[in-house]
Amino acid sequence: AQSVTQLDSHVSVSEGTPVLLRCNYSSSYSPSLFWYVQHPNKGLQLLLKYTSAATLVKGINGFEAEFKKSETSFHLTKPSAHMSDAAEYFCVVSGLSGGYQKVTFGTGTKLQVIP
Amino acid sequence: DARVTQTPRHKVTEMGQEVTMRCQPILGHNTVFWYRQTMMQGLELLAYFRNRAPLDDSGMPKDRFSAEMPDATLATLKIQPSEPRDSAVYFCASGLGLAGSTDTQYFGPGTRLTVL
Repeated sequence: AQSVTQLDSHVSVSEGTPVLLRCNYSSSYSPSLFWYVQHPNKGLQLLLKYTSAATLVKGINGFEAEFKKSETSFHLTKPSAHMSDAAEYFCVVSGLSGGYQKVTFGTGTKLQVIP
Repeated sequence: DARVTQTPRHKVTEMGQEVTMRCQPILGHNTVFWYRQTMMQGLELLAYFRNRAPLDDSGMPKDRFSAEMPDATLATLKIQPSEPRDSAVYFCASGLGLAGSTDTQYFGPGTRLTVL
């Protein structure tokens, strides 16, 4: 069984300040973890993924995430928010169960960037 | 720049009508996912195909929904009869599934369905 919890449904930051979007997961096997971003009226775009290699994962647009097994967390960060980062962000856990892929999306975090 | 395409982008229909949504996965990808997104439920996985075979459709209401892959370049999601509660955005995603691995999914732009 697996689950993912995004701890904040909304996050608001000022332009130029750091971004932290929190994600905790649970899984009975070694999962892969993803962050996707969805801009208004658009599909989802992959930001980054963790697949049991380096625990600090760098993604597109200056985002990165750190896999912490002891804390079962995969928080998304960015040093300096840009107006174009305003979107909804989804944390995803994925793993193989019974020979096929199980995918669980978090409920999403809406990021607001204030000028 | 390879992309997943979905048609139609928008569909408005009346309750009881049949709705068919189409998805063209990225060429060479062998896995296809169908999701439904609503404000209340968020993103829900409806069905998952690998090499055109349905592997998991436990998230799909079986009485009115059906998903197929007639060939490797086309996936369809059909609702018959449609109901107002089916109003949502339906996303298709494709991936390159290798044995024993988990896929990165590439999402299409979605079909926004409104059932009156």
